[in-house]
Amino acid sequence: EAEVAQSPRYKITEKSQAVAFWCDPISGHATLYWYRQILGQGPELLVQFQDESVVDDSQLPKDRFSAERLKGVDSTLKIQPAELGDSAMYLCASSLVGEGGETQYFGPGTRLLVL
Amino acid sequence: KQEVTQIPAALSVPEGENLVLNCSFTDSAIYNLQWFRQDPGKGLTSLLLIQSSQREQTSGRLNASLDKSSGRSTLYIAASQPGDSATYLCAAGGGSEKLVFGKGTKLTVNP
Repeated sequence: EAEVAQSPRYKITEKSQAVAFWCDPISGHATLYWYRQILGQGPELLVQFQDESVVDDSQLPKDRFSAERLKGVDSTLKIQPAELGDSAMYLCASSLVGEGGETQYFGPGTRLLVL
Repeated sequence: KQEVTQIPAALSVPEGENLVLNCSFTDSAIYNLQWFRQDPGKGLTSLLLIQSSQREQTSGRLNASLDKSSGRSTLYIAASQPGDSATYLCAAGGGSEKLVFGKGTKLTVNP
């Protein structure tokens, strides 16, 4: 069964350092999502891609966060510099059709701890 | 702005019991409503997706209903098992709007 891959699974960093997360969606899924989930909360959308184009990045803190999906396949989310409040689970998801019309399939997540 | 609320925040039941999880949303103009399961430290697994034109969806022991007019959805789990222990999240939205998630209900099924 095809799955969304994410790496690393865990990341510990010090504040002010740079971190990067990678996501490989299910093959053929044109839509890719990055979510942030704080412990005890539901996921919140950071950025949505349709192929290589950004559809929604309204909740992405653009002063420190960046995301790219250069060839419309895998994607990288970067934080520079990391802050203590960035400690959270970062989830990647993909779907066949955007706009919530289809089921989103989630990866295992990357748990980030900023010290 | 869409807001999604899930009650209760936690639920503990004995094995074999039927149970209902509740989800409410403030904006009824949704494209679909989805229910997910999340095990500790893991990603989300999709359980059921209800399109706005539908009233319910079923998968095995799970049945989800949707009442757009009242802004409510329920997830019914029949004959609960210890393996059902997890956090259950609902998410509303779709169309040109993003999915908005509730905080989830943490379910514990005791043997």
